[in-house]
Amino acid sequence: EAAVTQSPRSKVAVTGGKVTLSCHQTNNHDYMYWYRQDTGHGLRLIHYSYVADSTEKGDIPDGYKASRPSQENFSLILELASLSQTAVYFCASSDDGSAPLFGEGTRLSVL
Amino acid sequence: QQKVQQSPESLTVSEGAMASLNCTFSDGTSNNFRWYRQHSAKGLEVLVSIFSDGEKEEGRFTAHLNRANLHVSLHIREPQPSDSAVYLCAVSMKGSNYNVLYFGSGTKLTVEP
Repeated sequence: EAAVTQSPRSKVAVTGGKVTLSCHQTNNHDYMYWYRQDTGHGLRLIHYSYVADSTEKGDIPDGYKASRPSQENFSLILELASLSQTAVYFCASSDDGSAPLFGEGTRLSVL
Repeated sequence: QQKVQQSPESLTVSEGAMASLNCTFSDGTSNNFRWYRQHSAKGLEVLVSIFSDGEKEEGRFTAHLNRANLHVSLHIREPQPSDSAVYLCAVSMKGSNYNVLYFGSGTKLTVEP
């Protein structure tokens, strides 16, 4: 069964600390994405990747880095976490033309 | 940049009554439209995808697209309390080679027994 798995599911981080969110897909999809959702808002694209070892900036990349070491894995890295990065983060994967499949989200609180 | 807006922000319907949700987009060359459902604290579940003007039905969910009016809607037939969730409209822009989606802010649907 197609799946996108995110870890951790929730995290509390301190301001200025480093945070890594991980995503693993078993769908054999080429494309992977990281979105951010703030309360009362839709999802906004942070980074995406269409092939291993390559990442692209989305609409709100500032303060975030991404890493795609393999087709299955895509990480989002916050080098210096800030209060404004408190949000729910979603990872997704897709093939060309297919509806992106989403993970269940990671709830990040930066204190 | 693509702007996607949804209305209403929230909607309450009785079980069995039709629920209609609206979505407008700014880029008339958009060619790929999807409706997702998001239950509280859960991921997103794709309900229906539509790529050309007209209607597309998936079970109790029907999407209707009118690109000339920059409008796509979702109609839920015989909604049930388990359909209570946030519904998100997502649009891909023409020329997006990587299936990148732009989302509206969602409509919170409550279905009362």
